Amino acid sequence: LAKTTQPISMDSYEGQEVNITCSHNNIATNDYITWYQQFPSQGPRFIIQGYKTKVTNEVASLFIPADRKSSTLSLPRVSLSDTAVYYCLVAQRWYSSASKIIFGSGTRLSIRP
Amino acid sequence: DAGVTQSPTHLIKTRGQQVTLRCSPKSGHDTVSWYQQALGQGPQFIFQYYEEEERQRGNFPDRFSGHQFPNYSSELNVNALLLGDSALYLCASSSTRSQGTEAFFGQGTRLTVV
Repeated sequence: LAKTTQPISMDSYEGQEVNITCSHNNIATNDYITWYQQFPSQGPRFIIQGYKTKVTNEVASLFIPADRKSSTLSLPRVSLSDTAVYYCLVAQRWYSSASKIIFGSGTRLSIRP
Repeated sequence: DAGVTQSPTHLIKTRGQQVTLRCSPKSGHDTVSWYQQALGQGPQFIFQYYEEEERQRGNFPDRFSGHQFPNYSSELNVNALLLGDSALYLCASSSTRSQGTEAFFGQGTRLTVV
């Protein structure tokens, strides 16, 4: 199972771009990279998922280099409401019988005014 | 369209008791996974149910068991509760038929064992 490594915490200011990098050196060919956001006492919320290169949606961008051993979640122009814990996951598609989803400790992002 | 719903939202039990937590997956989803999240930690995978069978299991003792019903809803049962079982229990649903690969989480059940 590919293990992920993320910074424990990050601080930034409103309006800034925030980049959170995740290392996953043992990622397998069939693994996807998924990021979740979690607020206190709530379930994680899906942000973005990718396999290679770059993925962008209305919330964030995900950059994945060619070797796929790391990925970077980019949050443009953050606001106070982006203060949360962000989890990087590496696993096969959710409905694969071979998948076992492992959450790491996540990155605690704090946004200041 | 309701998302993933879990009940109850909060629960207090005594050591040694048994507890049942319930989860209704998002409409159209057929797979349910359960997680335990201790305070300040990431969610830990307990097990996953599909077609009423347990398909994957994390590193949890047999005191943790589950069930999935024909309507895809699921229950998590924990026997002989320990103080260390106090946590937020999360249910996640996903679909084997969808092109999307993300899972949707419920708000969780906060279990306190005293």
